[in-house]
Amino acid sequence: KAGVTQTPRYLIKTRGQQVTLSCSPISGHRSVSWYQQTPGQGLQFLFEYFSETQRNKGNFPGRFSGRQFSNSRSEMNVSTLELGDSALYLCASSLGASGGQETQYFGPGTRLLVL
Amino acid sequence: DAKTTQPPSMDCAEGRAANLPCNHSTISGNEYVYWYRQIHSQGPQYIIHGLKNNETNEMASLIITEDRKSSTLILPHATLRDTAVYYCIDRSGYALNFGKGTSLLVTP
Repeated sequence: KAGVTQTPRYLIKTRGQQVTLSCSPISGHRSVSWYQQTPGQGLQFLFEYFSETQRNKGNFPGRFSGRQFSNSRSEMNVSTLELGDSALYLCASSLGASGGQETQYFGPGTRLLVL
Repeated sequence: DAKTTQPPSMDCAEGRAANLPCNHSTISGNEYVYWYRQIHSQGPQYIIHGLKNNETNEMASLIITEDRKSSTLILPHATLRDTAVYYCIDRSGYALNFGKGTSLLVTP
């Protein structure tokens, strides 16, 4: 079974622009979560989508948003990019059935550099 | 903030067992212990998880003390490819709350 895939793998943007990242979960998984990893803050939870609805949310500003499609694929959008948004953005998928303690499986990440 | 405490770094000789400790001083009864690892610049890889009992899978063994205040991840025969940052997580809700982890270096 194929793992979680993320596109693009690398991205360079300038301040003020917006960016959209894509994630395809493991086949059969209906929950998709997004995390941000920076050297200073480590790995931090952004939000989780299940059945096209945001079900859990971390502590990030509204510039960070996401959506999920009927095939469970998810996109994350960051608007008005700031230098501090440079990070590795990770997507994780899980079955989504129980909404709690399921194992999350991560993709390889998208490395975003904001200049 | 992460609720677990791990040593920042450890070394292990190739072929020997790597024992990675984790303190869970504030863990509650319904919180699972999860272990992930992250090899440089890759996504975190799930290793194992448990609630009260010791667990073993093809990658590792997880030993949880009876009071659940500490756990140990055991890689029975470490290889160079096991060099990574290892995270233990007390999980109560959906999100995984990663701390700083332990950087394990496996040496030849």
